[in-house]
Amino acid sequence: GAGVSQSPSNKVTEKGKDVELRCDPISGHTALYWYRQSLGQGLEFLIYFQGNSAPDKSGLPSDRFSAERTGGSVSTLTIQRTQQEDSAVYLCASSLETTDYGYTFGSGTRLTVV
Amino acid sequence: RKEVEQDPGPFNVPEGATVAFNCTYSNSASQSFFWYRQDCRKEPKLLMSVYSSGNEDGRFTAQLNRASQYISLLIRDSKLSDSATYLCVVNMMGDMRFGAGTRLTVKP
Repeated sequence: GAGVSQSPSNKVTEKGKDVELRCDPISGHTALYWYRQSLGQGLEFLIYFQGNSAPDKSGLPSDRFSAERTGGSVSTLTIQRTQQEDSAVYLCASSLETTDYGYTFGSGTRLTVV
Repeated sequence: RKEVEQDPGPFNVPEGATVAFNCTYSNSASQSFFWYRQDCRKEPKLLMSVYSSGNEDGRFTAQLNRASQYISLLIRDSKLSDSATYLCVVNMMGDMRFGAGTRLTVKP
């Protein structure tokens, strides 16, 4: 597609429920990143996929968080048993194999856990 | 020490002013550097890459000092529309790290 597409744009869920967030990167981009941003805070790295390599999961805050990328394209971030502190904007970005030119963000999913 | 550090500001400047932001990074093996801009409740967008020789894009000038491990962004003739948070980004082997951002408000 023309840009990085994320869905849903907004999600309100009850504490304890599982949620799935989707990211569709720019066509041809082999690298895909997930970040989250709490209100008024900086970006927190979560996970990074590069081609067929094992993902860098070093930023995932707990084992309730997981992500997969199927077929080297679309990625799904899953949060199990959501907690109120999971409320944030979850941003996905993609880039070519080399990030010498930076990367492009999607418009994010705003997750609210009530 | 944080991997990428920025002065959080806020910087409040009048229209037409010149303002400079600095950013320091801890990993000397970092390979490429960027400034992103983030408007309120929006995603970050690439403003410009930062090259060793320094580079300019209109009113914006970026500089890199590898020896001292810092990056700067200079904005000349500030416009109201420049009001945003400016994020310093450092890339090492595809691992991009963001600073917490510097907030700029340009006032009439």
